[in-house]
Amino acid sequence: SSDLTQDPAVSVALGQTVSITCQGDSLRSYYATWYQQKPGQAPILVIYGPNKRPSGIPDRFSGSSSGNTASLTITGAQAEDEADYYCQSRDSSGKHVVFGGGTKLTVL
Amino acid sequence: EVQLVQSGAEVKKPGESLRISCKGSGYSFTNYWITWVRQMPGKGLEWMGKIDPNDSDTNYSPSFQGHVTISVDKSISTAYLQWSSLKASDTAMYFCARYLGQGRMTWFDSWGQGTPVTVSS
Repeated sequence: SSDLTQDPAVSVALGQTVSITCQGDSLRSYYATWYQQKPGQAPILVIYGPNKRPSGIPDRFSGSSSGNTASLTITGAQAEDEADYYCQSRDSSGKHVVFGGGTKLTVL
Repeated sequence: EVQLVQSGAEVKKPGESLRISCKGSGYSFTNYWITWVRQMPGKGLEWMGKIDPNDSDTNYSPSFQGHVTISVDKSISTAYLQWSSLKASDTAMYFCARYLGQGRMTWFDSWGQGTPVTVSS
């Protein structure tokens, strides 16, 4: 089992807004980081810190947090956003990194 | 451009040893930790551990402590992940990534392409 819990699957209509959530007690102390992974590819970083986007990541991706829940929001989902999304943070001890189980996003 | 280039696919038998590599370029290799991540077939990402290339200080996930060894040769900007006795359950894709941490933030900003490892008799 993971210290971080994600819904296994989420769907969104093309052009609509979707939020993918990540829950865990350690998120009260540490920020969540979000990665996108498409089939057969390495993950890529999409959001880190309070709401930081690496260069090259579209501004339709944003991050937020409240209590023990972090969210990745895609405003105006595109077909190319269909992928698996993983949250990552530290465990409650702060010593180790943990990943959520991943959410498969389908764009309808 | 930051790049992490991993060694190629491996097919091994149970009980054999293996070392895979991750070569960094385009940045100062000793300034950033390197981390390893496992992805078993059809499954999610699992953090294995990290190493400081500057002094070889390591930190392992409790799930992987004692099962793998992470090392580095900073003279050639290369990190390694090693097994002394493989099991079928080690069959997976292994990614290296550059690890950054600052205060309450931890992130992996650049990833290798992955090394598929198959362990089968």
